[in-house]
Amino acid sequence: DAKTTQPPSMDCAEGRAANLPCNHSTISGNEYVYWYRQIHSQGPQYIIHGLKNNETNEMASLIITEDRKSSTLILPHATLRDTAVYYCIAHGGYGNNRLAFGKGNQVVVIP
Amino acid sequence: EAGVAQSPRYKIIEKRQSVAFWCNPISGHATLYWYQQILGQGPKLLIQFQNNGVVDDSQLPKDRFSAERLKGVDSTLKIQPAKLEDSAVYLCASSLELGSPYSYTFGSGTRLTVV
Repeated sequence: DAKTTQPPSMDCAEGRAANLPCNHSTISGNEYVYWYRQIHSQGPQYIIHGLKNNETNEMASLIITEDRKSSTLILPHATLRDTAVYYCIAHGGYGNNRLAFGKGNQVVVIP
Repeated sequence: EAGVAQSPRYKIIEKRQSVAFWCNPISGHATLYWYQQILGQGPKLLIQFQNNGVVDDSQLPKDRFSAERLKGVDSTLKIQPAKLEDSAVYLCASSLELGSPYSYTFGSGTRLTVV
């Protein structure tokens, strides 16, 4: 799977949109971009994934650049409960079995 | 639906002792994973089962770690003997099938401290 790069940490204001960047410049054509988050003392939780089109669900939106070398996870109205480590993972799809987590981005939502 | 159940929640043992962790995946999930998460790092896959067969155990330290998934449901991860560097959170996850990360569900983990 392609390597991803995220900032180690960031703060964002409660009630504002939080934009979490991820670089994956070596991503291959069949690799999806997955986002997970891990709230303190819990296991990781799936948020969203995409291949090349932008995606939205009840938790977040995922914007993938046209060249697929980077993406942004958007939390539209950050709350204190969104404080967590966010992981961006490039994964090769069906049959590729190992979901490889990096160190992630520690996001702190500030009141 | 019920989540992935893990026990115990916490465990403290002395080095060279043995320890076992238990996981009950989501009903109907064929694939089960054990991850190790050392403080400050992301989870690292130790072993992956498809039903009761091992799919990937390439990162499992087989001289001291073992895992089984009898009858393709519950799973147990054992460490024997434990070392100080085994101190970590051990996470169990399950998914519908291989290669479907959108369906991964993780348990809350077992925090192991080796002293």
